[in-house]
Amino acid sequence: QVQLQESGPGLVKPSQTLSLTCTVSGGSISSGSYYWSWIRQPAGKGLEWIGRIYTSGSTNYNPSLKSRVTISVDTSKNQFSLKLSSVTAADTAVYYCARERVRLVHFDYWGQGTLVTVSS
Amino acid sequence: QSALTQPASVSGSPGQSITISCTGTSSDVGSYNLVSWYQQHPGKAPKLMIYEVSKRPSGVSNRFSGSKSGNTASLTISGLQAEDEADYYCCSYAGSSTFEVVFGGGTKLTVL
Repeated sequence: QVQLQESGPGLVKPSQTLSLTCTVSGGSISSGSYYWSWIRQPAGKGLEWIGRIYTSGSTNYNPSLKSRVTISVDTSKNQFSLKLSSVTAADTAVYYCARERVRLVHFDYWGQGTLVTVSS
Repeated sequence: QSALTQPASVSGSPGQSITISCTGTSSDVGSYNLVSWYQQHPGKAPKLMIYEVSKRPSGVSNRFSGSKSGNTASLTISGLQAEDEADYYCCSYAGSSTFEVVFGGGTKLTVL
């Protein structure tokens, strides 16, 4: 059974960089059948796709966040990471990592989510 | 890319059927059979209920079904049960220029 677990600081100051890591267990992040994605959800609001990475390191990002987002992968640790720069209060949200089927665009496994608050 | 449009809320009584719509454009829902639906209970992560418009993952009840017509996708839940009360989100591929994914704003299902 594949499991994903987000980790990282729960509080980030405005203008700083938000950094989260997703650890994958029960399966290899190097599998060619999947992308590894980040999705966020502000309190009481809907889901927003942030971006994805393939095992090769190839990435795609939400155009609205592209200038501030970097997603990377560490296959040796079976982890992938999110960095979001120049954060503001609008970036306060629950951040989820998820597994996405290549070319089929659906998310079949999700982490439990981690709340990141942007505040001084 | 704009979010897909869903009704804010729907309701139904136990045993009834309800349908949640998800309206996009010819650039996303209308162009690709890559619509998925997610159920989210409060404080929990979303759960995949339907993918590729109408396919059900293993373990998902056959009371959940999906369809699409033009730019609008739909999720139908038959034989409503109390545990179906949750938020539901649709999701679609939005084009090969950016390989973007868009979600709907979500629909709160209340079982009366």
